[in-house]
Amino acid sequence: AQSVTQPDIHITVSEGASLELRCNYSYGATPYLFWYVQSPGQGLQLLLKYFSGDTLVQGIKGFEAEFKRSQSSFNLRKPSVHWSDAAEYFCAVATGTYKYIFGTGTRLKVLA
Amino acid sequence: EAGVAQSPRYKIIEKRQSVAFWCNPISGHATLYWYQQILGQGPKLLIQFQNNGVVDDSQLPKDRFSAERLKGVDSTLKIQPAKLEDSAVYLCASSLVLGSAGNTIYFGEGSWLTVV
Repeated sequence: AQSVTQPDIHITVSEGASLELRCNYSYGATPYLFWYVQSPGQGLQLLLKYFSGDTLVQGIKGFEAEFKRSQSSFNLRKPSVHWSDAAEYFCAVATGTYKYIFGTGTRLKVLA
Repeated sequence: EAGVAQSPRYKIIEKRQSVAFWCNPISGHATLYWYQQILGQGPKLLIQFQNNGVVDDSQLPKDRFSAERLKGVDSTLKIQPAKLEDSAVYLCASSLVLGSAGNTIYFGEGSWLTVV
């Protein structure tokens, strides 16, 4: 069965530090992968997506993610975190029936 | 371009009461989704429409939940009777077409339900 695992429930980083959020997926075919961000009281906003081609994808707000098929991973990175990045981040995989499956999320806290 | 609109944003009801949520997708988007997000969890798909037809409702608790999209635009999600475990955020989302798993889904801000 298809699934998405985000191993880190909470992550705390200092402002200006680098960030990496982990995402592992289980899916038999070529995955379509997404990262969404959810600020408190808000809906989900798309950060970036991977369909095919270059395995390093750039997104909004300075985020990037790298698809590694051998590791079934799609980790999200940012070189320098801003206080406004504090939010919850969700990784998702789209299946062949066009159903999105979301991970349980990683809550990011940024220290001033 | 206007986003996905949802109302009401917040609702508190007693268990066994009913509630309805409304969603207006982005103009031109044929596919509409309702997700349930329980606190501390990722969104879970309840139902997916393509125009006014149901594509997937396998995770919709049909004994108490119902949804419709009569004219292929707006949609309503109803819960009757509500249970305590229905307390969650109900997210509506839309995308252009069904037919590509790579379609971007755009989410509304959600309707927050508390059942007491």
